[in-house]
Amino acid sequence: GAVVSQHPSWVICKSGTSVKIECRSLDFQATTMFWYRQFPKQSLMLMATSNEGSKATYEQGVEKDKFLINHASLTLSTLTVTSAHPEDSSFYICSARDQRHSSSGYTFGSGTRLTVV
Amino acid sequence: QKEVEQDPGPLSVPEGAIVSLNCTYSNSAFQYFMWYRQYSRKGPELLMYTYSSGNKEDGRFTAQVDKSSKYISLFIRDSQPSDSATYLCAMSVSGNQFYFGTGTSLTVIP
Repeated sequence: GAVVSQHPSWVICKSGTSVKIECRSLDFQATTMFWYRQFPKQSLMLMATSNEGSKATYEQGVEKDKFLINHASLTLSTLTVTSAHPEDSSFYICSARDQRHSSSGYTFGSGTRLTVV
Repeated sequence: QKEVEQDPGPLSVPEGAIVSLNCTYSNSAFQYFMWYRQYSRKGPELLMYTYSSGNKEDGRFTAQVDKSSKYISLFIRDSQPSDSATYLCAMSVSGNQFYFGTGTSLTVIP
């Protein structure tokens, strides 16, 4: 089945620094990828929709200047958390769907646990 | 009112039991329904994906969708300790943007 690779799986950074998270579709092309954030014991909250070759679409309340999304190719989307603060500590997950299989659901990456100290 | 409601549990059952997990929703336009399993500190793993109403079976897992009641279920037969995880329901109108439940934490006791 479709595989989505996410890297790194965990990262610790100092407050004020920036962190980049990569999401790759390994065996299919994804014109659209989604970025979610999940706080402990809460559900996934959609942050933004990443569109290959165009600007990302952000959900209400998500700062686009803080969470920079780049979808430069059909297999790679990146999320950069700029000037990270402790409240940005969370589990970030990307997902994509293999459009060749209309009956398939979305595949998620393994997630990135970000801790800002 | 949330788009999707899911009892967070926790739910604890003995090994071999039949588990029933449920979600209700308010948007009658939802047509795509998914169930995901999420182990601690891991990304969600797709279990079942259904379109519109009806049942779908895959091994020990059965998904049911009742659009008239706006209610979906996931049944796990012969539950195993390895089934212990958080189960998330998700649904969508168009198959693109999905709305997730908060997840139900399941523990299967050996």
